Amino acid sequence: EVQLVESGGDLVQPGGSLRLSCAASGFNFGSYWMGWVRQAPGKGLEWVGNIKRDGSEQQYMGSVKGRFAISRDNAKNSLYLQMNSLTVEDTAVYYCARDCGDDCWGFDNWGQGTLVTVSS
Amino acid sequence: DVVMTQSPLSLPVTLGQAASISCRSSQSLVYKDKNTYLNWFQQRPGQSPRRLLYKISNRESGVPDRFSGSGSVTDFTLKISRVEAEDVGIYYCMQGTHWPYTFGQGTKLEI
Repeated sequence: EVQLVESGGDLVQPGGSLRLSCAASGFNFGSYWMGWVRQAPGKGLEWVGNIKRDGSEQQYMGSVKGRFAISRDNAKNSLYLQMNSLTVEDTAVYYCARDCGDDCWGFDNWGQGTLVTVSS
Repeated sequence: DVVMTQSPLSLPVTLGQAASISCRSSQSLVYKDKNTYLNWFQQRPGQSPRRLLYKISNRESGVPDRFSGSGSVTDFTLKISRVEAEDVGIYYCMQGTHWPYTFGQGTKLEI
């Protein structure tokens, strides 16, 4: 069974940094693109970014480029989201999701999410 | 960026009746490999999203066959043939053809 478990969400001040983690199990982690999707309180889903199977390529939404960085450790079956220069607009539940990749593009499995609150 | 526009944003339905959600993209979602990466997700209250359909009309394992998808290029539809109580939630379309991925605003289905 595919499992994705996020951690690291917290209350952080504007301008601060936070690192989210996602522990994956139940599938060959290194064979899949992975992504992060966020959802502000009471709002819709917003794609944050994706990372290629081997970590050699990342794609990001415009408003997080230069502030957020996605990385992965295939040996540890783990995905990360480093978030810097946080603003109140980054307050959201952050979901880790598996992208089914070639011939399928889109998220076929999701974690339960971790809440990031940016506030002074 | 590709803009995904859903309608309606709110969809009151009666149990056992059919429901239909439209999703339109601001540009073609046909990829260079000739596939169209249009996904539909369901988010029940208090839960994580769950993918229902991919490549317009392919159902994920375990998704009831009352859910179906259709459309092409820029115009897509999710249909629920007979709404059940467990279908309450918010439905999102998402395109995976172009970077950045983009979601529709969501359609809230309520009984």
